[in-house]
Parts: sequence; structure tokens; C-alpha cells
Amino acid sequence: AQSVTQPDIHITVSEGASLELRCNYSYGATPYLFWYVQSPGQGLQLLLKYFSGDTLVQGIKGFEAEFKRSQSSFNLRKPSVHWSDAAEYFCAVARRDDKIIFGKGTRLHILP
Amino acid sequence: NAGVTQTPKFRVLKTGQSMTLLCAQDMNHEYMYWYRQDPGMGLRLIHYSVGEGTTAKGEVPDGYNVSRLKKQNFLLGLESAAPSQTSVYFCASSYSLGGSAENTEAFFGQGTRLTVV
Repeated sequence: AQSVTQPDIHITVSEGASLELRCNYSYGATPYLFWYVQSPGQGLQLLLKYFSGDTLVQGIKGFEAEFKRSQSSFNLRKPSVHWSDAAEYFCAVARRDDKIIFGKGTRLHILP
Repeated sequence: NAGVTQTPKFRVLKTGQSMTLLCAQDMNHEYMYWYRQDPGMGLRLIHYSVGEGTTAKGEVPDGYNVSRLKKQNFLLGLESAAPSQTSVYFCASSYSLGGSAENTEAFFGQGTRLTVV
């Protein structure tokens, strides 16, 4: 069965520092991969997605993610975080013609 | 373009009461989903639908029923609410995965906060 793991429940970084959020998936084939962000009290917004091709994917708000097949990972990165990036981030996985499964999320805290 | 709309946004139920949450999308999506979100548990899939007239169980289907009589609507029912069903419920919709990559993402509603006392 497909699954997605986000090992870090909470991450705290200083404003201006770089960020990497980890995501690992379990799947028999190359899945569709997503990162979503949820601001407090809001719904989820898509940051970026990967289906095929270039393994480095650019998203909105300055985020990027890299698909590494050998490590079954799809980590989210940002070179310099802003206070407005404080939110919960969800990695999700799906395969063709199937449902989308989400990880448990990583809550990002920003220190001023 | 309204996207995905959930009603109601808030609800308080007494144990044993029933209710229906409505999700409506205007993007002509085939797939629709109901998730619940609880602290530390992420988003857990309750039920989903791959098209009008079809439904399937997700990870946590017990205590819930769903119906997809029209393509644009996906209803989530609680027949006899329990305190364990206190949660925030999210509906989402998407095109069938495997179609055009540009169109393939899940769009979410704003959520329904349900409290069962």
C-alpha cells in the first residue's frame, strides 16, 4: 500500500535561514508527488507537484522540491524563509487513477 | 469561480445526532475526497469517489457514509455522531490522475469544524 512519511512533526528556523522539510514515500512505481501548505485556520494550497521529467521542481512562494528515486524522497526546500512561511506543510502521494494520500504534516515555526 | 465549497463551516452536534456535510465543486472534476484533520494525525482519508455514482472507502471510513448522486456534489453523512468524530473535515476534488499533468492537483475547501458533545 502506498504511504508517505514526514519524519519531522515540528521544525523551527530563524527568519532568513534556509529550510528543508523531509518527505519519504513508499510505492511500487514513480508516484505523483505534491507539497501543500496550510496556514492557520485555512484550507490547503498547492505549493508544487512532480509527475515526471526534471527532478527539481519549482513552486510558488519561492519553494522548490527535489525528487530522488533512489531515496524515495521528495524534500521541500527554500533558501531563505520569511515569517509568513510559518504554517503546516503536507507532503502527498498518489499514483495514476488512484486516490491522494497525505503525510501527517510538519509544522514550521519561524524565529524572528 | 467558486472552486470547492463546503457547508456548513461550523457545527455542534450532540452525541447520537445525525448530520450531512455538503461539498460542491464547479470545476467538473471526476474525483472527490473527504478527509478529516486531527492534531498530530495529518489528513486522513475517510471516503472518496472517482466519479458520479461511485464511492470507495479510505483509511478511516467507520461511522461515516457518503453519496455522489451528482458529479459536482459529494455528501458526507454521520448517522449517529460520537465525540471521536470531533474534527475538522476537508473536502477536495481533482481531475483523474493520469490526465494532463497541468490539471492534476487536489483543490480543497475551507473546512468544516465539527464538535460533538
